[in-house]
Amino acid sequence: DAKTTQPPSMDCAEGRAANLPCNHSTISGNEYVYWYRQIHSQGPQYIIHGLKNNETNEMASLIITEDRKSSTLILPHATLRDTAVYYCIVRVAWRDDKIIFGKGTRLHILP
Amino acid sequence: ETGVTQTPRHLVMGMTNKKSLKCEQHLGHNAMYWYKQSAKKPLELMFVYSLEERVENNSVPSRFSPECPNSSHLFLHLHTLQPEDSALYLCASSYGTGGSEAFFGQGTRLTVV
Repeated sequence: DAKTTQPPSMDCAEGRAANLPCNHSTISGNEYVYWYRQIHSQGPQYIIHGLKNNETNEMASLIITEDRKSSTLILPHATLRDTAVYYCIVRVAWRDDKIIFGKGTRLHILP
Repeated sequence: ETGVTQTPRHLVMGMTNKKSLKCEQHLGHNAMYWYKQSAKKPLELMFVYSLEERVENNSVPSRFSPECPNSSHLFLHLHTLQPEDSALYLCASSYGTGGSEAFFGQGTRLTVV
């Protein structure tokens, strides 16, 4: 079972920052937070991951709370092409561990 | 383009047919995965191969038979499928199964008639 909880859907205006929350209250000390997204009928795409420090790459920023029980994925300037289902996943980084997908958040970018 | 290629992209097969799905990656990855995505359901992990050995089999019916002849290729052999097996089948690869990000193919849309 997925160890994360996400809202089923969200809307965001084009050009604005999209902030996608994720709760992972049972996260273990050795588990990372990963984000993937799936654009309609395509394979999931890796976005970003982190352990406890905030992370940023060319696609997004990941903010993890100090207690690590929740995180937020930030798309700084959302475009219509960011419309997708976004998945938040927790998994261990240094041993065999499955990538288990939950239901994710369906993000609609509004023109 | 993720570097993971799946063929065919679409497949229609009868319940008595035998077909195979193919996945290929040249990313230097040594772990490969099969996922199933049915309509309006989360992705379900089916099989995991690490260094060409199957390390995970999530109670998948025997009508699905995976094969990993080398670290670059993964097959899913299908026989006597049911209409409820119609779904998007996704292949992924990663460097090891322990935490590196996975790269997914575009999937094969399978319809069983």
